[in-house]
Amino acid sequence: AQSVTQLDSQVPVFEEAPVELRCNYSSSVSVYLFWYVQYPNQGLQLLLKYLSGSTLVKGINGFEAEFNKSQTSFHLRKPSVHISDTAEYFCAVSEGNRDDKIIFGKGTRLHILP
Amino acid sequence: ETGVTQSPTHLIKTRGQQVTLRCSSQSGHNTVSWYQQALGQGPQFIFQYYREEENGRGNFPPRFSGLQFPNYSSELNVNALELDDSALYLCASSSGGGGGARDTQYFGPGTRLTVL
Repeated sequence: AQSVTQLDSQVPVFEEAPVELRCNYSSSVSVYLFWYVQYPNQGLQLLLKYLSGSTLVKGINGFEAEFNKSQTSFHLRKPSVHISDTAEYFCAVSEGNRDDKIIFGKGTRLHILP
Repeated sequence: ETGVTQSPTHLIKTRGQQVTLRCSSQSGHNTVSWYQQALGQGPQFIFQYYREEENGRGNFPPRFSGLQFPNYSSELNVNALELDDSALYLCASSSGGGGGARDTQYFGPGTRLTVL
């Protein structure tokens, strides 16, 4: 069965500093990988997704993620964060042969410090 | 273009009652997925509807049921409410051939259900 582990429940970072949010997954088959962001009192918004091809995926708002099959990781990065990036970030996985269901991690809360 | 809308925004029910949550999909989308997000947790997949048929289901009991209408809007019904059903219920719509993950899912703001 597939699962997603987000290693940090909270990440504090100073404004304009770089950030990395970690995500590891487990699956016995090929996967699709996603990062979603949830701002307070809002639904989820897709930041980026990996389906196939290049392992470096660029998304919205300056975020990018790298798929590493050998380490079963899909870490999210941004070179310089802004106060507006304060939100909950969810990593998610879907099995390639069963793409109706997306499995989410528990989320990482990003705190931007002034 | 109208995004995904959900109603009501908040709801309070007591144990044993039944509840119906509604979702209007984004224009042009024919697939709706429902998720339950408990406090401090990630969303959990409940089920997906594609062209009015259930297209996949997560590990939720049969008292969680759904419908999709010809205009692709959807309802989530929960019978015999339990305290653990308290959560944010998210609806997401997408387009394409029932492919829930490959097609980008657009989420609504959710309905917060409190069961007392």
